Amino acid sequence: DTGVSQDPRHKITKRGQNVTFRCDPISEHNRLYWYRQTLGQGPEFLTYFQNEAQLEKSRLLSDRFSAERPKGSFSTLEIQRTEQGDSAMYLCASSRGAASGEIEKLFFGSGTQLSVL
Amino acid sequence: AQSVTQPDIHITVSEGASLELRCNYSYGATPYLFWYVQSPGQGLQLLLKYFSGDTLVQGIKGFEAEFKRSQSSFNLRKPSVHWSDAAEYFCAVGARGATNKLIFGTGTLLAVQP
Repeated sequence: DTGVSQDPRHKITKRGQNVTFRCDPISEHNRLYWYRQTLGQGPEFLTYFQNEAQLEKSRLLSDRFSAERPKGSFSTLEIQRTEQGDSAMYLCASSRGAASGEIEKLFFGSGTQLSVL
Repeated sequence: AQSVTQPDIHITVSEGASLELRCNYSYGATPYLFWYVQSPGQGLQLLLKYFSGDTLVQGIKGFEAEFKRSQSSFNLRKPSVHWSDAAEYFCAVGARGATNKLIFGTGTLLAVQP
């Protein structure tokens, strides 16, 4: 169990550029989540995958954001035409789900810190 | 709508002193409740969770939390704080029957004085 890996750890970009982040979940975890955390706030849910299917998206996820999990393993989050308001920590989490009556446990990565200049 | 309030943005305690971090939630029914800790450069780590049953929940690193339905609270406690406990602590609520789409509070930053 090597934990959830995110790459890169930090990304600085100019406004209007596209950026892509990668998340490698814990192997055999079939669920993968993306959250966003801005300064002074708690993480906010963005989207969720069950295997390769994207099952839920937050209204926070504008049409400039797209997430994929093509083979049900790693996931990418792309932001097109970045804006200064996109500056945040982007967190990925994975889980193996939960049996009925149990609570699902999320394992979080260390995040990708995005700065849009 | 679900929400979580952590009224203390920043708390400083002396090493060895007791700690209580406050969390109040708003939810129509009994929710899932969580406490996470985030150290600099680290991901969020689950300290403990409440689902049902005993309202006093034990977690890792010597932390515990008590669910009080009448007060809509889920406060985190530790009897004796260690310098390594300095971190940011997040309370979160999850809806029963839903995916693990957690609603987090704004966090409490804990500083530990020697």
